[in-house]
Amino acid sequence: DTGVSQNPRHKITKRGQNVTFRCDPISEHNRLYWYRQTLGQGPEFLTYFQNEAQLEKSRLLSDRFSAERPKGSFSTLEIQRTEQGDSAMYLCASSYSVGDTQYFGPGTRLTVL
Amino acid sequence: GENVEQHPSTLSVQEGDSAVIKCTYSDSASNYFPWYKQELGKGPQLIIDIRSNVGEKKDQRIAVTLNKTAKHFSLHITETQPEDSAVYFCAASIGGTSYGKLTFGQGTILTVHP
Repeated sequence: DTGVSQNPRHKITKRGQNVTFRCDPISEHNRLYWYRQTLGQGPEFLTYFQNEAQLEKSRLLSDRFSAERPKGSFSTLEIQRTEQGDSAMYLCASSYSVGDTQYFGPGTRLTVL
Repeated sequence: GENVEQHPSTLSVQEGDSAVIKCTYSDSASNYFPWYKQELGKGPQLIIDIRSNVGEKKDQRIAVTLNKTAKHFSLHITETQPEDSAVYFCAASIGGTSYGKLTFGQGTILTVHP
């Protein structure tokens, strides 16, 4: 069990560019969550996958955001036409079952210039 | 939706003292309450959790209490050590149709002075 991994760890981009982040959950965890954390705040829920199905999306997830989990293993989060307000830490978590402990990855810190 | 309030926002203690962080939640359907510790540049790490069918849980120097009637839960750290210094987050979740998504408090910056 190597834990949840996220890549890249840091991303600096210019406003208007597209970025994509990857999350590899703990193996055999079929539930995967994305959260966003801004400075000085707690993480906020963005979206949730059970296997490859995206079952819930927060209103925070505008139409510029898209997430996929094509084979029920790793997941990607893409932000199109980035804005300065997208600057945040993007966290991924996985769990074995609903209500089970969610294990977080180290996060991807996005800075939009 | 669920709302979680956490207090205090900062807490400074001397090594060896106890630290208490309190959280309140709004949705009585919440049934799972984890606490996470987050160090600079890292993701949150679970330190202890409690479910609604339990009033108290203890793990060495860390304990959590839950009062379902009042809708509040607390983290207690005894014999604090400098390595306990970090940001602590409480969270709440509802099972079933909410898929277990966590709603977090605003965080408490704990500083333990040697």
